[in-house]
Amino acid sequence: AQSVTQPDIHITVSEGASLELRCNYSYGATPYLFWYVQSPGQGLQLLLKYFSGDTLVQGIKGFEAEFKRSQSSFNLRKPSVHWSDAAEYFCAVGGSYGGATNKLIFGTGTLLAVQP
Amino acid sequence: GAGVSQSPRYKVAKRGQDVALRCDPISGHVSLFWYQQALGQGPEFLTYFQNEAQLDKSGLPSDRFFAERPEGSVSTLKIQRTQQEDSAVYLCASSTSTGKLEYFGPGTRLTVT
Repeated sequence: AQSVTQPDIHITVSEGASLELRCNYSYGATPYLFWYVQSPGQGLQLLLKYFSGDTLVQGIKGFEAEFKRSQSSFNLRKPSVHWSDAAEYFCAVGGSYGGATNKLIFGTGTLLAVQP
Repeated sequence: GAGVSQSPRYKVAKRGQDVALRCDPISGHVSLFWYQQALGQGPEFLTYFQNEAQLDKSGLPSDRFFAERPEGSVSTLKIQRTQQEDSAVYLCASSTSTGKLEYFGPGTRLTVT
């Protein structure tokens, strides 16, 4: 079955510290992978995406993620966290299969808190 | 428009009432998706349109949920006889014909009392 696992429900980091949010997926075909961020009461904003090619992808706001096929992972990283990064982060997987739909399957999210 | 818009942004319904949620996709986007996001959860797929055709409705939780996109642009998600478990944020997303990227609207928060 297709699924996305974000094992960390809640993470707290200090401002300026590095960050890694974990994402593991199960998908039958070559996946398209996404990270979205959601602030309270807001919609989903795309941080970055992987479709093919270079497995290290750069996104907005200084985020990057690395696709590791052997580990079925797509972890999100940032070298130095800012207080404004506090939000909920969702990993998602999707893909074109059967020509019918590219619906996304989301993880349950990781809530990031940033300490001053 | 500049992005996906949804209305209303907030809706309170009494149990048993019918509600209609509207989504205006990005102009020219042929694909449109509806997702349901319960509190503390990730979004879950409800249904998918390509133009006016509803190609996948496997995520609709019951026959009380109905979606349409009659002219291939604006879509409406209708929930009949709302129940408390329908309380959630309903997200709409649209994408181009290649369908690799979905742009999300701000969502409609539905509260059923």
